[in-house]
Amino acid sequence: AQKITQTQPGMFVQEKEAVTLDCTYDTSDPSYGLFWYKQPSSGEMIFLIYQGSYDQQNATEGRYSLNFQKARKSANLVISASQLGDSAMYFCAMREGGGADGLTFGKGTHLIIQP
Amino acid sequence: EPEVTQTPSHQVTQMGQEVILRCVPISNHLYFYWYRQILGQKVEFLVSFYNNEISEKSEIFDDQFSVERPDGSNFTLKIRSTKLEDSAMYFCASSHRGLSYNSPLHFGNGTRLTVT
Repeated sequence: AQKITQTQPGMFVQEKEAVTLDCTYDTSDPSYGLFWYKQPSSGEMIFLIYQGSYDQQNATEGRYSLNFQKARKSANLVISASQLGDSAMYFCAMREGGGADGLTFGKGTHLIIQP
Repeated sequence: EPEVTQTPSHQVTQMGQEVILRCVPISNHLYFYWYRQILGQKVEFLVSFYNNEISEKSEIFDDQFSVERPDGSNFTLKIRSTKLEDSAMYFCASSHRGLSYNSPLHFGNGTRLTVT
């Protein structure tokens, strides 16, 4: 079973609109962290935002916020007032428990912002 | 802001050759990782490294691969006898606290490996 599911392979959004990128996850570990990364066409991986499983409030970071619904196991990324520079691949990822292993990534969503 | 640096940015090699991909993690980070991303696919975990030894490795990380921290700053991935299917973007990453679930990984810009 997929640990991270991103159901939107691609999205087109008008500039200045808000956009929600979906992510659901699967884990039985009570301690986990959820991350979103942006990958522009140049290839680098840019950390955007983090949500911990015990965090009471949804994470926010500038124009990025995370709509964390623990019971539904979803951690959707919301980008407010989208800009042309937001066009990129977006990956949701999870780290489980206290081990030293890394992140499990979803397949990503290709977001294209249209003028 | 400190960053993870990777060299080279692009490596072309012939099938069967050995390659070494180099990374300089962020200086106060303790956990180091290699990931790979085959073109158009998701990012896959290869290996994590802490305290001069491998902590975890994936099924992809077989005997063809090895990692080393030869000095206090570099972290290398060696791929022996490269195959066509090893062509991918290889990302190095580091984090300050691997044992804490809220420690984000900081990625380098990647090395694009092309095996011909």
